[in-house]
Amino acid sequence: EVVMTQSPATLSVSPGERVTLSCRASQSVRSNLAWYQQKPGQAPRLLIHGASTRATGAPARFSGSGSGTEFTLTISSLQSEDLAVYSCQQYDNWPYTFGQGTKLEI
Amino acid sequence: EVQLVESGGGSIQPGGSLILSCAASGFSVINSYMSWVRRAPGKGLEWLSIVYSGGGGPTRYRDSVKARFTVSRDLATNTMYLELNGLRVEDTAVYYCARVGRGELDLWGQGTLVTVS
Repeated sequence: EVVMTQSPATLSVSPGERVTLSCRASQSVRSNLAWYQQKPGQAPRLLIHGASTRATGAPARFSGSGSGTEFTLTISSLQSEDLAVYSCQQYDNWPYTFGQGTKLEI
Repeated sequence: EVQLVESGGGSIQPGGSLILSCAASGFSVINSYMSWVRRAPGKGLEWLSIVYSGGGGPTRYRDSVKARFTVSRDLATNTMYLELNGLRVEDTAVYYCARVGRGELDLWGQGTLVTVS
């Protein structure tokens, strides 16, 4: 099973800040990687797929990069509504697996 | 409106069984790849199963649930089901159904809570 490791587990941020979240795979997943945002009490929401393709409706301030084993999600200018847990997920090898998530907090 | 709505969660004793439902609207669950995912308290998301499109679409399960959980779909009601048997305390989680794109989950239900104790 491919292990996805996200860092940091928690990140203290401020509105307007540029934020970078990391995700590492235990083996290459090529570009078969997605990012999700989950707010308390809500279902996860797809932000990025194919490592760098923004999902329909995802704000332009979210961008993804990377391939192989190293991936990054960047929020160009943090908005207050972006406070959430962000999870990466690989879909190159079954079982598809998620990282443990990074929580953004004030 | 394109959406998924789960139901069927609740509290159950270890060893018990439960059936979760995932009603779809705005698209066909038979013609889509569909999955179940769960999040246990304080843990990350865990992908449980994927069923491929078509009436006889094969289903894959992660090893930890393969012998205990079963996915099915009903064309008439456009609903996917997850039958959970032999429930364990560690199966306590919010269970989500979701539609699969090329491997990413592009549409999620709101989730239903299963508590095993």
